Amino acid sequence: DIQMTQSPSSLPASLGERVTISCRTSQGISNNLNWYQQKPDGTIKPLIFYTSNLQSGVPSRFSGSGSGTDYSLTISSLEPEDFAMYYCQQDASFPWTFGGGTKLELK
Amino acid sequence: EIQLQESGPGLVKPSQSLSLTCSVTGYTITSGYDWSWIRKFPGIKMEWMGYISYSGSTNYNPSLKIRISITRDTSKNQFFLQLNSVTTEDTATYYCAGGSFDYWGQGVMVTVSS
Repeated sequence: DIQMTQSPSSLPASLGERVTISCRTSQGISNNLNWYQQKPDGTIKPLIFYTSNLQSGVPSRFSGSGSGTDYSLTISSLEPEDFAMYYCQQDASFPWTFGGGTKLELK
Repeated sequence: EIQLQESGPGLVKPSQSLSLTCSVTGYTITSGYDWSWIRKFPGIKMEWMGYISYSGSTNYNPSLKIRISITRDTSKNQFFLQLNSVTTEDTATYYCAGGSFDYWGQGVMVTVSS
């Protein structure tokens, strides 16, 4: 299985701040990397697919980048609704696997 | 708009089977996409469990392969999860998802306890 190491696990930040969440994979995944947001009520929203493509309706303050084994999600200026859990996930090979999650918290 | 909704018992006894239903609206599950089950354990770990494709083929996470079955009822546009011989470690919130996880249900919490 491809192991996904997401960091940090917890990220205190302020409104308007720029933040980056990292995801490292145990082997190359050829950009087959997706990002999801989970709200406190449990709702999961897809944000980015194939490393850098925004899902429909996702604000442009979200962006993704990376290649090989290193990927990242950046939020350029935090809004109140952005404080949530974030997960990376690979679909390069089975079984599809998720990162351990990052809790983005209000500082 | 594609919508998914999980349903099923919130409490299952150890050694019994967990059975959940995902009802899909806004899209016919035989038209395309893979239809997955994913679970989030207490804490934050998430696990993809398996999918049934639009053609009816299945693909399971090897960690669950001997206990899991995903089936469907095309007349009701639903797909199902059955997980056998559950233990307390199967306590989780279970989600159904469609496409490449483009569409998600709200999730249903299942507790395994006697």
